[in-house]
Amino acid sequence: GENVEQHPSTLSVQEGDSAVIKCTYSDSASNYFPWYKQELGKRPQLIIDIRSNVGEKKDQRIAVTLNKTAKHFSLHITETQPEDSAVYFCAANAGGGADGLTFGKGTHLIIQP
Amino acid sequence: DTEVTQTPKHLVMGMTNKKSLKCEQHMGHRAMYWYKQKAKKPPELMFVYSYEKLSINESVPSRFSPECPNSSLLNLHLHALQPEDSALYLCASSQNPGTGGRGNQPQHFGDGTRLSIL
Repeated sequence: GENVEQHPSTLSVQEGDSAVIKCTYSDSASNYFPWYKQELGKRPQLIIDIRSNVGEKKDQRIAVTLNKTAKHFSLHITETQPEDSAVYFCAANAGGGADGLTFGKGTHLIIQP
Repeated sequence: DTEVTQTPKHLVMGMTNKKSLKCEQHMGHRAMYWYKQKAKKPPELMFVYSYEKLSINESVPSRFSPECPNSSLLNLHLHALQPEDSALYLCASSQNPGTGGRGNQPQHFGDGTRLSIL
């Protein structure tokens, strides 16, 4: 089945700096890669996603890049703000023609004021 | 506001009880999912329903029994649960991608039911 690895597990950055979270996946047939933000006690919230026919996608301060050859995708957050503090999960659509998602273990992003 | 509604928000039950979790969406989505999330862990896929038919059961114990009565509703029936089943149970929905392909549509999550087994 699909395996998604995510690094780092914790990331602390100064407010206003950029944050980068990296993920790798194992199944070359995966073609959809969403990123979710989860604040403590709340639901995972989709913040951006990318499909395999695109190499990069941007939405204001958030961008995602995908390297299909390396099976690697990354989340970039620029000009970080205190409200960006949360756990971020990457995911990939699972194998075998399935619709389900396999998630990475998560990155706890801490924005230092 | 979430467009996927889950009830109840919290549930405490004994190991011999029978209870059900409910999920509802009115976005016209034809794929619905149950995930289990333990504290400080990622969501783990349990079940997938596609056009009201069970398409994936990720080797979940039979004490969890899903049901999809119609395209808007998804239930998870619980019976004889163990303390290790205590977790946040998340429902999600997405547009169905059609047959023969992998799901590549955004999944929208509900707020979850926080389940505690005594």
